[in-house]
Amino acid sequence: AQTVTQSQPEMSVQEAETVTLSCTYDTSESDYYLFWYKQPPSRQMILVIRQEAYKQQNATENRFSVNFQKAAKSFSLKISDSQLGDAAMYFCAYRSSGGNEKLTFGTGTRLTIIP
Amino acid sequence: NAGVTQTPKFRILKIGQSMTLQCAQDMNHNYMYWYRQDPGMGLKLIYYSVGAGITDKGEVPNGYNVSRSTTEDFPLRLELAAPSQTSVYFCASSTTGGALGNTIYFGEGSWLTVV
Repeated sequence: AQTVTQSQPEMSVQEAETVTLSCTYDTSESDYYLFWYKQPPSRQMILVIRQEAYKQQNATENRFSVNFQKAAKSFSLKISDSQLGDAAMYFCAYRSSGGNEKLTFGTGTRLTIIP
Repeated sequence: NAGVTQTPKFRILKIGQSMTLQCAQDMNHNYMYWYRQDPGMGLKLIYYSVGAGITDKGEVPNGYNVSRSTTEDFPLRLELAAPSQTSVYFCASSTTGGALGNTIYFGEGSWLTVV
C-alpha cells in the first residue's frame, strides 16, 4: 500500500516571502499522480496543483510550483510571494494511475502567513 | 458550475439515529468517493464507486452504507449513529482521460455531530 508522509505539521512564512512544504511518498508503482490540496478554515478541499509521474517537467500554477524528484519519491510544494489568503492546511496526496484507485493523503501541514 | 454538491452542510444526530448524506455531481464523472476527516487529521476513504451499480469499501467502511443507482448520485447512509462518527464528510468525484483526468474534485463537506 502507498503511504504519504508530510513531516512538517506546521510552517510559517512572512508575507511576500517564499516557503516550501515537504512531502515524501512510498510506492512500488511507476505511473501515478501526485497532488497538493489546500484546505482553508472553511474546510473546503481546493486543488492547488497536480503532477503526473511520467512527466519530468515540474508542474507550475502561478505562484505555486512543485519539485518532483521521482527517484527520491519526493514532491515538495513551493509557494512564492506568499499572501494572507494562502494560510491553510495543505495536504499532499497520491493516486495510482489505474483509474479506480483512491487518493492517499498525508497528515497535512498547517501554513501560517505572518503579516 | 455546480460540480460536486453535498447536503446537508450541518447536522446534529442523536446516538442511534440514522441519516443519509446526499451527494450529486454534474460533471458526468464515473468515479465517486466518500471521505471523512476527523479533527486535525487527513482524509480517510469510507466507500467509493467506479460507476453506477458498483461500489466498494475503503479504509473505514464500518457503520456506513452506500448505493449508486445513477452516475450523478452517491448517497452515504449512516446507520445507528455513534459519537465516533462525528466528523466532516466529503464527497468527491473524478474521471479518467483528458487534461484533468484522475484529478479528484471535492464537495464542500458536511459537518456531522453525534451527541
